[in-house]
Amino acid sequence: GNSVTQMEGPVTLSEEAFLTINCTYTATGYPSLFWYVQYPGEGLQLLLKATKADDKGSNKGFEATYRKETTSFHLEKGSVQVSDSAVYFCALAGGTSYGKLTFGQGTILTVHP
Amino acid sequence: DTGVSQDPRHKITKRGQNVTFRCDPISEHNRLYWYRQTLGQGPEFLTYFQNEAQLEKSRLLSDRFSAERPKGSFSTLEIQRTEQGDSAMYLCASSSISRTGGYNEQFFGPGTRLTVL
Repeated sequence: GNSVTQMEGPVTLSEEAFLTINCTYTATGYPSLFWYVQYPGEGLQLLLKATKADDKGSNKGFEATYRKETTSFHLEKGSVQVSDSAVYFCALAGGTSYGKLTFGQGTILTVHP
Repeated sequence: DTGVSQDPRHKITKRGQNVTFRCDPISEHNRLYWYRQTLGQGPEFLTYFQNEAQLEKSRLLSDRFSAERPKGSFSTLEIQRTEQGDSAMYLCASSSISRTGGYNEQFFGPGTRLTVL
């Protein structure tokens, strides 16, 4: 079956530091890949997505590239802000799943001024 | 477009009682999903509707759980004879079918937090 593995957290950074959150997946066929974010006290919202190999999703300064050869979709941001503090979830939808999402366990990011 | 709404936002119940949650998806979305999220974990899939048809159910969905989506609009999730292990956040999401390949994003509601005492 489908599975997603995220780097263990929590991650604590200073403002303007570089961020990488690793995500690898196992899936049959060609899944669509997503990063969702959950800010404190808010619901899940889409951060970015990629639907085919070598696609790069980007939003709010975050980027992730769909790497089929390494089955990875790592999240990066060049300069984090305090407002980026949140829980980040990598997820996939693929195969005959009717689009249901399989999530990683989430990575807590805390950014200090 | 007012987004996905869920009601109630919080529910506290005693073990053995029945509870029902409601989800109102984005109106033009024909796909509706229910997930369950426990503390420190990512959401886990429970069930999926395309219009009014329930097309997939997770093994997590025991026979105490039932979901409906009459007329392909709002959906309800009922838990009978609740147990303490049912305590979790129950999330609803909706999406449209992609016309360009792959899968469209799912829009999530705020969730219903269930506490079983």
